[in-house]
Amino acid sequence: GNSVTQMEGPVTLSEEAFLTINCTYTATGYPSLFWYVQYPGEGLQLLLKATKADDKGSNKGFEATYRKETTSFHLEKGSVQVSDSAVYFCALSVQETSYDKVIFGPGTSLSVIP
Amino acid sequence: GAGVSQSPSNKVTEKGKDVELRCDPISGHTALYWYRQSLGQGLEFLIYFQGNSAPDKSGLPSDRFSAERTGGSVSTLTIQRTQQEDSAVYLCASSFDGTAYTGELFFGEGSRLTVL
Repeated sequence: GNSVTQMEGPVTLSEEAFLTINCTYTATGYPSLFWYVQYPGEGLQLLLKATKADDKGSNKGFEATYRKETTSFHLEKGSVQVSDSAVYFCALSVQETSYDKVIFGPGTSLSVIP
Repeated sequence: GAGVSQSPSNKVTEKGKDVELRCDPISGHTALYWYRQSLGQGLEFLIYFQGNSAPDKSGLPSDRFSAERTGGSVSTLTIQRTQQEDSAVYLCASSFDGTAYTGELFFGEGSRLTVL
């Protein structure tokens, strides 16, 4: 079946530290991969995406590369800010017979302290 | 507004009561998804609508849960005889049909349900 696994949280970092949140997936076919972010009190929003192997998604200083050989899509940022404190969800989308199924990981909570 | 709208934002109910949660998707979005977010858990898929039909209801946890969509727009998720384990945030998301694979889902802020 299709599934997404993320590193357990919560993660606490000091401002300007390097961030990595690991994500691995299991999927049939050729999934698209996504990172969504949920800031406190807000709805989920798309952070970045990659639709095929070796693609790199990037946004707001965050990056993730679609690695088919390791079935991974790890999220990285070189220097985190307090405003990056949020819950991060890795997700995949596969084309089922009649629709695009989107499956989310459990989420990783990030707290950045000044 | 132009985003996905959900109501109520918060609902506290007594065990055994029925509740209705509403989702108003972005205009023109034919695909609509319901998810449940429980404390410490990820987003659990509940149901998908394409227009007014639901080709995938596989995520509904029990027959106490039902959902409908009318006019290809507003959707209602109904939970009958609520139980304490139903307490969660219920999220609705929409997209243009066939674009969730390469595009994105647009989420509402959710309806937080607390069953006492």
